[in-house]
Amino acid sequence: DTAVSQTPKYLVTQMGNDKSIKCEQNLGHDTMYWYKQDSKKFLKIMFSYNNKELIINETVPNRFSPKSPDKAHLNLHINSLELGDSAVYFCASSPRLAGGIEQFFGPGTRLTVL
Amino acid sequence: AQSVTQLGSHVSVSEGALVLLRCNYSSSVPPYLFWYVQYPNQGLQLLLKYTSAATLVKGINGFEAEFKKSETSFHLTKPSAHMSDAAEYFCAVSGASGTYKYIFGTGTRLKVLA
Repeated sequence: DTAVSQTPKYLVTQMGNDKSIKCEQNLGHDTMYWYKQDSKKFLKIMFSYNNKELIINETVPNRFSPKSPDKAHLNLHINSLELGDSAVYFCASSPRLAGGIEQFFGPGTRLTVL
Repeated sequence: AQSVTQLGSHVSVSEGALVLLRCNYSSSVPPYLFWYVQYPNQGLQLLLKYTSAATLVKGINGFEAEFKKSETSFHLTKPSAHMSDAAEYFCAVSGASGTYKYIFGTGTRLKVLA
C-alpha cells in the first residue's frame, strides 16, 4: 500500500490555467506538508497543516491555495499558472507536529507550464 | 534562523570506495538533523536522523553520520559505495520548537563509477 500518494504524477498545462494536485496519506498522521522542488533540486516548504489547521504558510503567492478536507488529505490548487510555477511538488506527512520527526514523502507531481 | 550548507553539488566515487557527503548547519538552538535520499523520479526517503542522543547515528543501507557540535557538521559516510547508492542526497535541519519546519540543503548528487 502506498503511504503518501499524489495525483497526478505529471501535469502539463498552459499559462493562465487553474490546476489542482491531490495528496492522500494512509499512515494516520496528523501533519501534512507541501514542498516545491525547483529545476536545481532546491526543496522548499510551502505549507504545513496540523489536524487540518494551517501552521506554516511561507511566502508563496496567493495564487496557491491549500485545502485540507480531513487529516488524510491535503490538496493544492493553483490559479493563473505562470511559467515559474514549473517544478516538482511534493506532499509529505508526519505523525505529529514536533521536532526530530521523520517526514514521509509522496512520489511528487511534475508540473510543466507552457 | 537555521540554515544548511552542503559542500559539493556533485560527488563521484568508485564502486567500493568511501562515500563522504558534507553538511554544515547553522542554528541558534540545538538542532535536529536529517539526511534524506532521493532516487530518480521518486520522493525523499529518510536515511538517518540526529535528535540529541548518540552523536554517531547509523542509518539504512550502511550509511552513518556523526554530529560534531564544535564543527557544526553532520557529514554522511558509507565505507564502501555501491552502484545502487547513486542518487541525490539532502541534509536538513529542523528546530526544537515553533513550527518545526525543515530547512533543506541544496543537495549533493552522488555518482558511483564502475
